[in-house]
Amino acid sequence: QKEVEQDPGPLSVPEGAIVSLNCTYSNSAFQYFMWYRQYSRKGPELLMYTYSSGNKEDGRFTAQVDKSSKYISLFIRDSQPSDSATYLCAMSGRQGAQKLVFGQGTRLTINP
Amino acid sequence: GAGVSQSPRYKVTKRGQDVALRCDPISGHVSLYWYRQALGQGPEFLTYFNYEAQQDKSGLPNDRFSAERPEGSISTLTIQRTEQRDSAMYRCASSATGGDQPQHFGDGTRLSIL
Repeated sequence: QKEVEQDPGPLSVPEGAIVSLNCTYSNSAFQYFMWYRQYSRKGPELLMYTYSSGNKEDGRFTAQVDKSSKYISLFIRDSQPSDSATYLCAMSGRQGAQKLVFGQGTRLTINP
Repeated sequence: GAGVSQSPRYKVTKRGQDVALRCDPISGHVSLYWYRQALGQGPEFLTYFNYEAQQDKSGLPNDRFSAERPEGSISTLTIQRTEQRDSAMYRCASSATGGDQPQHFGDGTRLSIL
């Protein structure tokens, strides 16, 4: 079993829909949680960065972390065709444990 | 530029050759990381540095892989005696400090071993 599980999709939704992307993990030591967006032939671009449990909102994006369930989510409101990309969740442990552990990535397409 | 810069963007070489991949981090970033990303997968950790010190190399697949960052800025990932299974996208990331600052990625080097 992988440390971080993410449904690879692909996921296709109409423009304007609310998108929900999720990851589960098994390592209770993870404290920092991130969502990256990756366009084709580009590197991962940091979207959201949260520490421990709770919600964080940035414009149309909301990240949620539920450490008790070992479950994180990214919500995209009013989705746009420009949101079409692969979304990667990533996490790391306490300070000093620097490596990021990534999910497989979910390929998302927003249809106009 | 302001981002992480990697070179070359593409590298094609014959099996058995050595290759060196370069990463120039964001100016002032203390920590530098190397990852490898297979098609359709997330990046997998290889190694990382704080300044010039290699802190963790647990992700390097075998002793053909090595990395250095001699002056605490630019880093080189070297693969000796390349094999076809080494073909992948190699990504570099940097962060402002160690533990609680996010990592920012470059666009990677696509390595193809013939």
